[in-house]
Formats: sequence, structure tokens, C-alpha cells
Amino acid sequence: GAVVSQHPSRVICKSGTSVKIECRSLDFQATTMFWYRQFPKQSLMLMATSNEGSKATYEQGVEKDKFLINHASLTLSTLTVTSAHPEDSSFYICSARAVARVLGNEQFFGPGTRLTVL
Amino acid sequence: SQQGEEDPQALSIQEGENATMNCSYKTSINNLQWYRQNSGRGLVHLILIRSNEREKHSGRLRVTLDTSKKSSSLLITASRAADTASYFCATDRYGGSQGNLIFGKGTKLSVKP
Repeated sequence: GAVVSQHPSRVICKSGTSVKIECRSLDFQATTMFWYRQFPKQSLMLMATSNEGSKATYEQGVEKDKFLINHASLTLSTLTVTSAHPEDSSFYICSARAVARVLGNEQFFGPGTRLTVL
Repeated sequence: SQQGEEDPQALSIQEGENATMNCSYKTSINNLQWYRQNSGRGLVHLILIRSNEREKHSGRLRVTLDTSKKSSSLLITASRAADTASYFCATDRYGGSQGNLIFGKGTKLSVKP
């Protein structure tokens, strides 16, 4: 149980296009989903926190108009990278926190999406 | 900013040896977690230790937590080639239940067969 999927796993796009990444909790409901970015050989950096039915909370330095987050249901959150540029190339990872598992603050991570912007 | 700082940044050992990784953090925490990441893959949760715990075991993993020193260690005993991965510690930023994890820079472990 507690599986999180991401789609697509890899995407290559041209500069200026928009890319949507989906994050799904497959067997549990998640009130909160998190989006992270990881550059090569670096750690994960939290980009935004997404709560179902409300606006996402973005970390300092993350452009909300560029990284659009929608959390329309308890099992799906999407991250759209708008007008992508080569510097947006990165590994994007989502995580989900289950409703029923409040203690321990446990998050379940997706497998990540490798975005390459040409 | 990064809350956790792991050391060493890279560790290379022979199969069968023990691997110890350390993590330091800056602010108060409710718990500290360790994750594993294979190259180019997502994170796998290994173990969580609460602030009122000093040591925890899970299989070949042993985690210690010293809140007075704001540090934690992850010990992998009898390492295997399959343990080769990057290991990250993560803390809850606000010391509450908001779930905003802050990850350390990670230790890249290489276990040679």
C-alpha cells in the first residue's frame, strides 16, 4: 500500500512549451501533496505544498506563475511548468501525505519525472 | 536553506563492511527520517526516529538521534552491493505536523562486491 505514481517518467520538450506532470496516490487519499525539484548530484528542494481544494503554498524563490500546481482531488496533483527553459531541466519528485496517517508525518514519494528542456 | 547536512558526502566500502552516515540539523524537530534514493529514481523511506527516541533498529539499519547535539547517524551493517545508493536525512522544518520536509545534501554510498 501507499503507492504514489508520477506521469510521465521522462519528458523532453522544446524551450517555450509547457509541460504537465501528474502525481497520483494510488491506494490512499492524500490531503497534502508536495513537489520537490532535484538538480543533478544535489538534494531535494521543496518547491510547493499543495492542499486539496486550496491554493498551493510556494517556497521562497519559486515562481508560482511559472510552476502551476493544481490539487483538484484527494488522489491527484498536477505540476505544470509553463514556458519551460533549459534551466528548468531537472528531476521533479512529488510526495503525498495520507489522511489517516497523521502521526509521524509520513510522506510517500513518487518515482520522479525527468524533465529535459532543449 | 538546507536543514540537514550529511557527512561524508561520499563513502566507498567493500561488501560486508558497515557503513555509517551522519546528519546534523539546525532547529528543533519532532522527528528525523532517513531516505534512500537509487540513481535517477524516487525516494524510499527507510526509518523514522522521533525526538524522544535515542535509537531505532530496522533490519540491518540502526539509527541514532542526539537532540542535544542536533545530530543523527545511520548505520548499515553487513553492507551489500544492492545498498549502493544515495542516503538522505530529512527533518520537519517547523517542528510541527505541516509536513514540510527539509532534506540534507545526502551521502552517496558505493558498496563494492
